[in-house]
Amino acid sequence: DTGVSQDPRHKITKRGQNVTFRCDPISEHNRLYWYRQTLGQGPEFLTYFQNEAQLEKSRLLSDRFSAERPKGSFSTLEIQRTEQGDSAMYLCASSSKGAAGRSYNEQFFGPGTRLTVL
Amino acid sequence: AQSVTQLDSQVPVFEEAPVELRCNYSSSVSVYLFWYVQYPNQGLQLLLKYLSGSTLVESINGFEAEFNKSQTSFHLRKPSVHISDTAEYFCAVQGTFGNEKLTFGTGTRLTIIP
Repeated sequence: DTGVSQDPRHKITKRGQNVTFRCDPISEHNRLYWYRQTLGQGPEFLTYFQNEAQLEKSRLLSDRFSAERPKGSFSTLEIQRTEQGDSAMYLCASSSKGAAGRSYNEQFFGPGTRLTVL
Repeated sequence: AQSVTQLDSQVPVFEEAPVELRCNYSSSVSVYLFWYVQYPNQGLQLLLKYLSGSTLVESINGFEAEFNKSQTSFHLRKPSVHISDTAEYFCAVQGTFGNEKLTFGTGTRLTIIP
């Protein structure tokens, strides 16, 4: 296993279309995260899963966004009715559960999916 | 809630010169601190981290960072930079309990001048 993979790497779509991105985490990592990075900004947290449960969602995740991790392995992020403001790099990261009593766990990032909405 | 400030969006440095990339954070709870690096056309990679203990932490490629609790800072330094250090550097924090997400700064683009 060489790391977190994301598909596609690039996506160009027209405003109003739906898009779906996939993230495959490192094998046996039970935690999976989605971040969004716009030009000139650092990554911003969107949501995270522990196994198949979605445990936290950012207010950035509007009703048009939905993320799933149905079997606790890969995850999908869907954006409905895309808007030009959705243009960004979408990053996925995974980690294993930290030691008892500590929340630290190294998050390993994938290469990202760059979305351009025309 | 946490926030991270990286005041320098771009830092040009001559090759073999020293560099310091500044990072300040704000948090109502104790945090872990990280520096991530993003090389051109690559994903984010963890460069170094502070969890506890010694306030000075080092990476394998010569970078170091020092946690200063009173200044709420975690500045990144390298005594002599190389062309291969050209990248974007992100400072990040994570709450130590019950807060999984990383909060990133806006990044500093380090450009090495030959």
